Amino acid sequence: GAVVSQHPSRVICKSGTSVKIECRSLDFQATTMFWYRQFPKQSLMLMATSNEGSKATYEQGVEKDKFLINHASLTLSTLTVTSAHPEDSSFYICSAPYGVVEAFFGQGTRLTVV
Amino acid sequence: DAKTTQPNSMESNEEEPVHLPCNHSTISGTDYIHWYRQLPSQGPEYVIHGLTSNVNNRMASLAIAEDRKSSTLILHRATLRDAAVYYCILRGGGADGLTFGKGTHLIIQP
Repeated sequence: GAVVSQHPSRVICKSGTSVKIECRSLDFQATTMFWYRQFPKQSLMLMATSNEGSKATYEQGVEKDKFLINHASLTLSTLTVTSAHPEDSSFYICSAPYGVVEAFFGQGTRLTVV
Repeated sequence: DAKTTQPNSMESNEEEPVHLPCNHSTISGTDYIHWYRQLPSQGPEYVIHGLTSNVNNRMASLAIAEDRKSSTLILHRATLRDAAVYYCILRGGGADGLTFGKGTHLIIQP
């Protein structure tokens, strides 16, 4: 099946710094990608929709100035967590739709803010 | 998105079939039934999807009730690697993100 690659898989950063997470569709083009967040023992929560060539759309309660999303090409979306704090520590996951019905997910990025 | 209801957890033995139920009584006519699974510390993995007819692929089978208000994911011969959280998700034909419920935590005993 189609592959979505996410990098890095794990990152530790100091409080107040910014972290960039990349999401790439390796063998297909994705005009839309999705970013999710998952806290321990909870389900995935959709944060935002990344649109190639236009602004991202954010779910209610997600700060767009804190979670910067850039979708500069048909195969790459990035999520930057700005001024990270310990409460931003979470598992961040991207996905890209494939065809009308399916979606493929990256392997996730474990962010720990210390 | 229409809501789905799944048992919190299920337990099965290795090499036995597993039937994971999902109720979706408010499903609309255009909603596809998707199943994804998430292994520990990994992103979700697509398992199978269907609309009205039963579906089979190399990973699993999906049995859909005639009224479409429920479905069952069938793992024909569970292995330890099938231990995961299984999510049943309804999705229309649009390009929206998925709405994940709590899923079913499947435990496989050796």
